Amino acid sequence: DAGITQSPRHKVTETGTPVTLRCHQTENHRYMYWYRQDPGHGLRLIHYSYGVKDTDKGEVSDGYSVSRSKTEDFLLTLESATSSQTSVYFCAISEDGNRGNIQYFGAGTRLSVL
Amino acid sequence: EDKVVQSPLSLVVHEGDTVTLNCSYEVTNFRSLLWYKQEKKAPTFLFMLTSSGIEKKSGRLSSILDKKELFSILNITATQTGDSAVYLCAFISSGSARQLTFGSGTQLTVLP
Repeated sequence: DAGITQSPRHKVTETGTPVTLRCHQTENHRYMYWYRQDPGHGLRLIHYSYGVKDTDKGEVSDGYSVSRSKTEDFLLTLESATSSQTSVYFCAISEDGNRGNIQYFGAGTRLSVL
Repeated sequence: EDKVVQSPLSLVVHEGDTVTLNCSYEVTNFRSLLWYKQEKKAPTFLFMLTSSGIEKKSGRLSSILDKKELFSILNITATQTGDSAVYLCAFISSGSARQLTFGSGTQLTVLP
């Protein structure tokens, strides 16, 4: 999975609890992304980062926050999980340069909010 | 609003058949179109297309982009059961900080 580790791989939590998902890369790539995947919607971008402490919102950012304090780690936080955030979450990375348009994905985290 | 539409939504074929998957898009400031294959795990990269009419090939898979008619196709010849997967197309537009916008995918099932 292109040197990307997501943790945890599976999580079940209750509505209203905070949840943090971690993405760790060993490729030293500048760009990191968080997507969610739901049936019928493909992958939708939540947040992305273009460097340490540099982040921006994607298409479906409401209810999510991110942090990137080191090049290798990108954290996604659900401050107060809701059932609508039950989904599969993918982290992706991409490099600078001509091949920077290609994103490589981690194995995903399956989150269930009850 | 930029969008990408894939067709068909699902397809069932037998081993040895040839399939054509379609991806049409409406994108301002188009930069690149990418194809991914997703089995029951992470999407894996197949092709990136930036120029119209240039075919990309990898073994039994090939893809072409038509920037005038705003579509791309992914061809798979001599299909195998291992080709069963969801095939996703996505685009990047200029100035989007490399954000990928995905279609909802085509579910391909190859029967023995």
